[in-house]
Amino acid sequence: QKEVEQNSGPLSVPEGAIASLNCTYSDRVSQSFFWYRQYSGKSPELIMSIYSNGDKEDGRFTAQLNKASQYVSLLIRDSQPSDSATYLCAVTNNNDMRFGAGTRLTVKP
Amino acid sequence: DGGITQSPKYLFRKEGQNVTLSCEQNLNHDAMYWYRQDPGQGLRLIYYSQIVNDFQKGDIAEGYSVSREKKESFPLTVTSAQKNPTAFYLCASSSQGGGQETQYFGPGTRLLVL
Repeated sequence: QKEVEQNSGPLSVPEGAIASLNCTYSDRVSQSFFWYRQYSGKSPELIMSIYSNGDKEDGRFTAQLNKASQYVSLLIRDSQPSDSATYLCAVTNNNDMRFGAGTRLTVKP
Repeated sequence: DGGITQSPKYLFRKEGQNVTLSCEQNLNHDAMYWYRQDPGQGLRLIYYSQIVNDFQKGDIAEGYSVSREKKESFPLTVTSAQKNPTAFYLCASSSQGGGQETQYFGPGTRLLVL
């Protein structure tokens, strides 16, 4: 079992729709959770961090964490073509940050 | 401008050659990291350093070496022992070690084998 799992996609949504990206993790004692966006050929950039159960909103982005289910998600409202990228889920425990392989999102105009 | 710089952007390695990738940060971060990314895969940790003059192996350290003589700098050497070095190499830093802090990434170096 992979430590951090994401659907590779591609996930395709029309412009203006809500994109829902999901991530599960295997280490029950994981403490911090991050979503990074990575455009093709570029390095990851941080979108959101979340540390406690529930929702955290920042503009069009909402991160949701459920530690009991070992599940973290990212919702993107009013999706724009510029949101088309690969989204990486990262999970940390003490000294280790583990990354999922990423979900490729395409937003069609 | 605060940030992380990596050079070169592209690097070509010949068989049997050691090459060194540069990573510099002016964020005053204590911790620095090197990751490797292969197509369709997540980032895999090569080495990390939480403090000057100290570093630890990550999951895929074989064939790589690092040094941390200055807080700002964490160069990575890809040695001839690394048989499949073609990948995208990413350097990151965080204000403290411990893995819970947000990591910020440099622009990356793409290494290709001739």
